[in-house]
Amino acid sequence: EVQVVESGGGLVQPGRSLRLSCTASGFTFGDYAMSWVRQAPGKGLEWVGFIRSTDYGGTREYAASVKGRFTFSRDDSKRTAYVQMNSLKTEDTAVYYCVRISDAAGVGNFDYWGQGTLVTVSS
Amino acid sequence: QLVLTQSPSASASLGASVKLTCTLSSGHSSYAIAWHQQQPKKGPRFLMKLNSDGSHNKGDGIPERFSGSSSGAERYLTISSLQSEDEADYYCQTWGPGIQVFGGGTKLTVL
Repeated sequence: EVQVVESGGGLVQPGRSLRLSCTASGFTFGDYAMSWVRQAPGKGLEWVGFIRSTDYGGTREYAASVKGRFTFSRDDSKRTAYVQMNSLKTEDTAVYYCVRISDAAGVGNFDYWGQGTLVTVSS
Repeated sequence: QLVLTQSPSASASLGASVKLTCTLSSGHSSYAIAWHQQQPKKGPRFLMKLNSDGSHNKGDGIPERFSGSSSGAERYLTISSLQSEDEADYYCQTWGPGIQVFGGGTKLTVL
């Protein structure tokens, strides 16, 4: 059974940093691109970005709203993806979902979602 | 620019059928999409990938009541024999080189 589990959310002050983790099981982690999607309270889904598989160099794509502040990484030996979030703003407050993309290069649909982890940016 | 457009809301009666629409922006009518369901207070769940020719591949455990179809730039999700648990937000999603895009979502109310 495919499972994706996020962790690391919490309350953080504006301007500070936070790192989220996403640990997967039930599939060959290194064969897939992994994405982050967020959902602000009462709002729709917003794509944050993704990291390609190691076969595609582990290269990354970012939404304009987080580019330069968020950094994706992955450790295939730990079956884990990460997002380092710096210079956090109040508008980054959201539930963050880790999602598997059906393709190693990131050109495909989302097919397995985590349960989400809440990040609250507030003073 | 790659954009998906969805109606904000829809409603249908228990036991009836409903057809939700997702429209691709001009110049992108050949794109495949995916449909995702988000029940209240839950994370999203992948329902199916839907190609431009109407062929679709469902996710794990998705009931037969859920089906997809396509016409031009429009992609449809049809839910038949509506049940109370089908009351949810439905999002379409598509992708291009280096980008992923969501529609704004449709809130389905089961009457």
